[in-house]
Amino acid sequence: NAGVTQTPKFQVLKTGQSMTLQCAQDMNHNSMYWYRQDPGMGLRLIYYSASEGTTDKGEVPNGYNVSRLNKREFSLRLESAAPSQTSVYFCASMRARTLYNEQFFGPGTRLTVL
Amino acid sequence: AQSVAQPEDQVNVAEGNPLTVKCTYSVSGNPYLFWYVQYPNRGLQFLLKYITGDNLVKGSYGFEAEFNKSQTSFHLKKPSALVSDSALYFCAGGSGNTGKLIFGQGTTLQVKP
Repeated sequence: NAGVTQTPKFQVLKTGQSMTLQCAQDMNHNSMYWYRQDPGMGLRLIYYSASEGTTDKGEVPNGYNVSRLNKREFSLRLESAAPSQTSVYFCASMRARTLYNEQFFGPGTRLTVL
Repeated sequence: AQSVAQPEDQVNVAEGNPLTVKCTYSVSGNPYLFWYVQYPNRGLQFLLKYITGDNLVKGSYGFEAEFNKSQTSFHLKKPSALVSDSALYFCAGGSGNTGKLIFGQGTTLQVKP
């Protein structure tokens, strides 16, 4: 079991460039989440997918789009990167949407936008 | 608005001493509360959770947390700290069936030999 995997691990972009962060889980979980982590601010939810075929905005969705490709994969796209999107991005999955369950996190993608 | 707060940016403790990392919450309805730990350059790992029932929750690596409804707190504790416990700790909370968690800003725990 690899758990939650994320690619790439590191990325440097120039302002205006686009990229897609990939996330996959092999635990047959229904719900998946994208967070960003900034110093002193904890983790903030960008988008989530409660189940395959559904996506919803979180706390900070502006500048991002997501795709729940199938039950395993949930990608995050930056269409036109901005320096304010410099952050560490974490993908997480959870067995079901109820909060009885804990979330499992990937290792993160460290993104720098110049 | 719902919120989770960790009032200390950093907690320093000597190895072998008890440790406490504080967390307070403001969550509507019955809260679900979690503690996660993050080691350098790693993702978050689940430590323990409070859903309902006993106010003292035991988790991984000898950690425990006490749910206090009147003080809206969920402090993380360990009777005897290890140097290897040094990490960034996050408290998180939520309610209902959204699956959405609100995270505190994190507390760095430094355990010195």
